[in-house]
Amino acid sequence: AQSVTQLGSHVSVSEGALVLLRCNYSSSVPPYLFWYVQYPNQGLQLLLKYTSAATLVKGINGFEAEFKKSETSFHLTKPSAHMSDAAEYFCAVSEGNQGGKLIFGQGTELSVKP
Amino acid sequence: DSGVTQTPKHLITATGQRVTLRCSPRSGDLSVYWYQQSLDQGLQFLIHYYNGEERAKGNILERFSAQQFPDLHSELNLSSLELGDSALYFCASSVAEDNSPLHFGNGTRLTVT
Repeated sequence: AQSVTQLGSHVSVSEGALVLLRCNYSSSVPPYLFWYVQYPNQGLQLLLKYTSAATLVKGINGFEAEFKKSETSFHLTKPSAHMSDAAEYFCAVSEGNQGGKLIFGQGTELSVKP
Repeated sequence: DSGVTQTPKHLITATGQRVTLRCSPRSGDLSVYWYQQSLDQGLQFLIHYYNGEERAKGNILERFSAQQFPDLHSELNLSSLELGDSALYFCASSVAEDNSPLHFGNGTRLTVT
């Protein structure tokens, strides 16, 4: 069965610092991987997705993620954090070819200090 | 704004009761997915409908059921409610049933007292 592990339930960075949110997955088949962001009192919004076209995936709001098969990782990064990046971030893997049937990690809450 | 509308936004009810949550997908989207978000279980897939037909089931209790109507809106019915059913229920829609991006609604927060 597929699974996702997000390391660190809470990450705090200073404004302007590098953001690194970690995600490791388990899958017996080539996975489709996603990062979603959830702002308070809102639904989830897709940041980016990996579909095997390229290992480095660029998303919205300056975020990107690199797929590393050897490490079964899909870490999310942003070179310079902004106050508006404070939110909860979810890594997810799709099961088979049913893209909407996602298995989510537990989430990482990102805080950005001024 | 994702274009996905969920009603009501909040629902408070008592144990043993039955409620219906409603979702209108984004215009043109044929797939509707329901997810439950709770503190202890996190985000869990419940069920998927595509163009009126059930396509996949996840960790959905037998007390829960759903359907998608000809106009593509969907309803999630929760019955014999228990305290543990208190959660945020999200609906998401996508164009197809492949790996098209999901568009999430803002959720219905259910509180069972």
